[in-house]
Amino acid sequence: DTGVSQNPRHKITKRGQNVTFRCDPISEHNRLYWYRQTLGQGPEFLTYFQNEAQLEKSRLLSDRFSAERPKGSFSTLEIQRTEQGDSAMYLCASSRDGYEKLFFGSGTQLSVL
Amino acid sequence: ELKVEQNPLFLSMQEGKNYTIYCNYSTTSDRLYWYRQDPGKSLESLFVLLSNGAVKQEGRLMASLDTKARLSTLHITAAVHDLSATYFCAVDVLSGSARQLTFGSGTQLTVLP
Repeated sequence: DTGVSQNPRHKITKRGQNVTFRCDPISEHNRLYWYRQTLGQGPEFLTYFQNEAQLEKSRLLSDRFSAERPKGSFSTLEIQRTEQGDSAMYLCASSRDGYEKLFFGSGTQLSVL
Repeated sequence: ELKVEQNPLFLSMQEGKNYTIYCNYSTTSDRLYWYRQDPGKSLESLFVLLSNGAVKQEGRLMASLDTKARLSTLHITAAVHDLSATYFCAVDVLSGSARQLTFGSGTQLTVLP
C-alpha cells in the first residue's frame, strides 16, 4: 500500500495558462475524489469517480475545470485559463468500495500569478 | 446546505494540559471523521465515528459523537508537543451516488513547552 500519489507537488503558473495535475490512487481503490483546500479552510469537495465514471461534480467546479480517470486508474484534473482565485491546494483521495475511509495524497499546491 | 463548525479555530496550550475541540454540524449524519494535517502534508485519518454514542481513543486523543446533538468532540489529554497540528472534523453525507465529506475550517493546535 504505497499511498495516494500526486504530482506535481507545486505548480506556479501565469493567469490564463492551462495546468494539469495527476493523481495515482492506492491500487485497487476504485473510488477517487478531488478536493480543493484554500489557506485556513478545510478541503472542499470537487468531484468523484467510481472506476472511470465521473459520478458527481460540485457546483464549485466551473466549466474551466475538467477531470478524467481513463481506465479507472490514475486521474487528471485540468484547469483551463487559470485565474488567481484558482490558487489553492488540490487534494486527491481514494477509497475502496464498502470501506469508506478516505486516504488523501499530499496535494498539489497551485499558485496563479 | 450542510455546515460544519469547529471551535476553537486556534488553540495554544501548554504541555500536560487537557482541552476539547468541538465540532457542530447542521444536518443529520451518522458518520463523522477526524483528520490531522501537519503543515505542507496530507490529511491523516484519526478516527471514524459511525454511530450515536461512539467513542474512540488513540493515545492522548479521544473522539466522541452525539448524533442527536449533532456534535462531536476531540479531547486531548496531557498534551505533548508532537500533537501540534491542524485538526479537522468532517461530516459524511450521501449526495447522489457519492458519499461526500464536508469539512470544518479546522482547529490549529499549538502545544507549548
